[in-house]
Formats: sequence, structure tokens, C-alpha cells
Amino acid sequence: QKEVEQNSGPLSVPEGAIASLNCTYSDRGSQSFFWYRQYSGKSPELIMSIYSNGDKEDGRFTAQLNKASQYVSLLIRDSQPSDSATYLCAVLNTGGFKTIFGAGTRLFVKA
Amino acid sequence: EPEVTQTPSHQVTQMGQEVILRCVPISNHLYFYWYRQILGQKVEFLVSFYNNEISEKSEIFDDQFSVERPDGSNFTLKIRSTKLEDSAMYFCASSERSGTEIKREKLFFGSGTQLSVL
Repeated sequence: QKEVEQNSGPLSVPEGAIASLNCTYSDRGSQSFFWYRQYSGKSPELIMSIYSNGDKEDGRFTAQLNKASQYVSLLIRDSQPSDSATYLCAVLNTGGFKTIFGAGTRLFVKA
Repeated sequence: EPEVTQTPSHQVTQMGQEVILRCVPISNHLYFYWYRQILGQKVEFLVSFYNNEISEKSEIFDDQFSVERPDGSNFTLKIRSTKLEDSAMYFCASSERSGTEIKREKLFFGSGTQLSVL
């Protein structure tokens, strides 16, 4: 079983729409969850972190966490062409020294 | 804004040679990491380093690899006897996490070193 799973996409949404990205993880002891954005040829950049069940909002981004279902999601409201990138779900393992990344979901926002 | 600096940005080497990739983490960060990303694949954990010792390493991080913090600012990854399959983008990252704030692990990545083994 893969440690962090994401749909590879691509996910294509029109400008102004809501993009919904999903992720599942296998380590039940994990307590810290992250979304990184990676533009082509660039390094990952942290956009959201979430540690408790429920929703966490930051501007146009909302992260959702359900530990019972081992599920993390990211909603991007009012999507812009500049949001076109690969979104990486990342989970800190139980030991606390290893952040594991999913393969990423490619998002295309069409103008 | 503080950033993680990696040098060189590109490194070309012959198979069997040794390479050293260099990183300067953000100055007040205490935890350091190396990740790699083979073209078109996911970001893979290699090793984490804290208090001058390895905290955790992956199966990839075998005897071919070593890390060192030779002084107060640099953090290096040495790859001995490089193989074709070592060709990848290597990212250094650091985090500020202090004390028991394990939950607050947020990684700041450098821009990477593209390693090409010929």
C-alpha cells in the first residue's frame, strides 16, 4: 500500500471555479499534514498545513482533514490560471522525522 | 526573506565518480533534509539530520550516500560511485521546529541541484 496516495490528474477546471484535490494516507499515527505546490521545474512550496480534524481556511485555500478516514483534501476557490501547478499532499510520519509526499495532482486552470 | 541555498544548480558527472551537493539551510533552522525527485516522479525522502546526526533515512539512503554538516552553515550530501539511476533533482530542505513541536514541521526547500550522471 502506498503511504500517501493522490490522483495524478490532470484536473482541469475553468477560471473562477473550485478545484478539489484529494489525498489518503496509510500511517494512522500521523498528526501533521501539508499541501505543497510545485510549479514545473521548481521546488515544492508549502501552501497549507493542518493538524486537527475539520476545515482550515487561508485565503482562497481550504484544507480538510478526517483522521478516521485517513483523508486530506484541498479546495481552491476562485481558481486562477496562476494556480496551474502540481499539488503535493505530504504527511509527517509517526516518528516525526520523515515527511512523505504523494505523487501529486496536476491542476490546469483554463482562462 | 530567508531561503535555503543550494549549489551547484546543475552538476554533470561521469558514472562512478563522487559528487558533493551543497546546501546552506535557513540560519535559525535546526532540522535538515535531503529529498530527490527523478524526472516525472514523486519527491522522495532520503534523510533527515538533527544535532549532528542522522534522525531517519530511507531505503534509498544506503552506503553510497552520506551527509555532513562540516561547519555552522553548510549541509552536504555526498554520493559515492554515482550510477545512471542517481540522475535526479536533489532538494535540500530545512525546518525551524524546536523542542517538542513535532507537529509544526514545515519544510522550506532550496531550488535544487539537477544531477546528471553520464
